[in-house]
Amino acid sequence: AQSVTQPDIHITVSEGASLELRCNYSYGATPYLFWYVQSPGQGLQLLLKYFSGDTLVQGIKGFEAEFKRSQSSFNLRKPSVHWSDAAEYFCAVVPYSGGYNKLIFGAGTRLAVHP
Amino acid sequence: DVKVTQSSRYLVKRTGEKVFLECVQDMDHENMFWYRQDPGLGLRLIYFSYDVKMKEKGDIPEGYSVSREKKERFSLILESASTNQTSMYLCASSFSVTGELFFGEGSRLTVL
Repeated sequence: AQSVTQPDIHITVSEGASLELRCNYSYGATPYLFWYVQSPGQGLQLLLKYFSGDTLVQGIKGFEAEFKRSQSSFNLRKPSVHWSDAAEYFCAVVPYSGGYNKLIFGAGTRLAVHP
Repeated sequence: DVKVTQSSRYLVKRTGEKVFLECVQDMDHENMFWYRQDPGLGLRLIYFSYDVKMKEKGDIPEGYSVSREKKERFSLILESASTNQTSMYLCASSFSVTGELFFGEGSRLTVL
C-alpha cells in the first residue's frame, strides 16, 4: 500500500540549532510532495512543494527540502531554528497525476524548541 | 487574504446527536475537503467535493455525510454522533486538484 512515513514523532532542538525532519514515501513513480506546518490551535499552512525540476526546493519561513529519488525521501531542513518554529510538521504526498483526493499525510512530527 | 472559516472551534455533543460542521471559503475555489486529524494518524480524508452538489468519498466516510449546496460552503454532517468520532476536523479548499490547499483553523468535537 502507498504510504508516507515520518519516523520521528517528537524532536527537540535548541534555538539557533539546525533542523532536519525526515519523510519517506512508498510509491512507484515520483509523486507530488508537500510539507505543511500546523502551529498550536491553527490549521495547516503550506511550507513548500515539489512537483518536478530542481530537487532542492525553497519554501517560506526559511525552510527548504530536498527530494532524493534513490532514497524515496523528501526531508525538510532549516539552518537555524527560531522559537516560533515550534509546531507540528506534516509531510504529504500525491501520486503522480493524482489530485488532492489522493493526498496522503504522514503522522506528523512535533517540534519543540528550547531557548 | 485567503480565508477558510469553520463555524465552530469547539463543540461538545452527546452520543446520538446530529452534528453539523460548517465551512465557508471566500476564494471561489472549486474543490473543498473535510479531513479528520487524530494524534499519530495525521490527516485522513473524509469527503471531497469538486463542484456544487458533487462529492466523493475519501478514506474514512463511514458515519459521515456532506452537503455542498453553494460553491463557498461545505458542510460535514454526523447523523448520529458516536464517541469514536471525537476528533479534530479540518476543512480545506483549493483552486485546482494540485494547487495549494488552504485550511481552516479546525473544529474540535468531543462526543460524550
